Amino acid sequence: DGGITQSPKYLFRKEGQNVTLSCEQNLNHDAMYWYRQDPGQGLRLIYYSQIVNDFQKGDIAEGYSVSREKKESFPLTVTSAQKNPTAFYLCASSVRGPYEQYFGPGTRLTVT
Amino acid sequence: GESVGLHLPTLSVQEGDNSIINCAYSNSASDYFIWYKQESGKGPQFIIDIRSNMDKRQGQRVTVLLNKTVKHLSLQIAATQPGDSAVYFCAAPGGSQGNLIFGKGTKLSVKP
Repeated sequence: DGGITQSPKYLFRKEGQNVTLSCEQNLNHDAMYWYRQDPGQGLRLIYYSQIVNDFQKGDIAEGYSVSREKKESFPLTVTSAQKNPTAFYLCASSVRGPYEQYFGPGTRLTVT
Repeated sequence: GESVGLHLPTLSVQEGDNSIINCAYSNSASDYFIWYKQESGKGPQFIIDIRSNMDKRQGQRVTVLLNKTVKHLSLQIAATQPGDSAVYFCAAPGGSQGNLIFGKGTKLSVKP
């Protein structure tokens, strides 16, 4: 089956630790995205990548980092510099351009 | 850049009634719009999209209407069912590379 997978579904970390969220897609999409969602809010773009080995900051990139070494994978690291990291994180992919984005199931990160 | 907003954060309807969820956008040059459905704890799912050269597009039990004059689009769900209970987002291209901009969402509750 084609799709996007995110792991783990739930993640708990202590404050001050970096944590990496996984995102993999087998849709052969060029573009991949990371969003953050807070309760009752819409999706805010953290980082996006239109092609392998290239990525751009979104609206709220501070405290986050990404890599895009393979077309299928776009991991997100939440660093200790992120002041309020507890949130629901969504990964998406699309053919290049502002077309329909396919979303993964999300990772709920809780930092205490 | 583009901004999109939904008119009502919540909507409650009786099972079997029709639902109408509204969305406004700011950029008159926007040429593509998407509606997503997000169930609790899951990633958003594509419902339907529409290009600006169309006024109306129909899917299974859903219709999207686009009024470019007033920069407004709506999602109509016919014969609303309990399984339609979710948060609905509209999205449109925005940003430097035309990434999708999401509204905050309308939470639809269906009363049995």
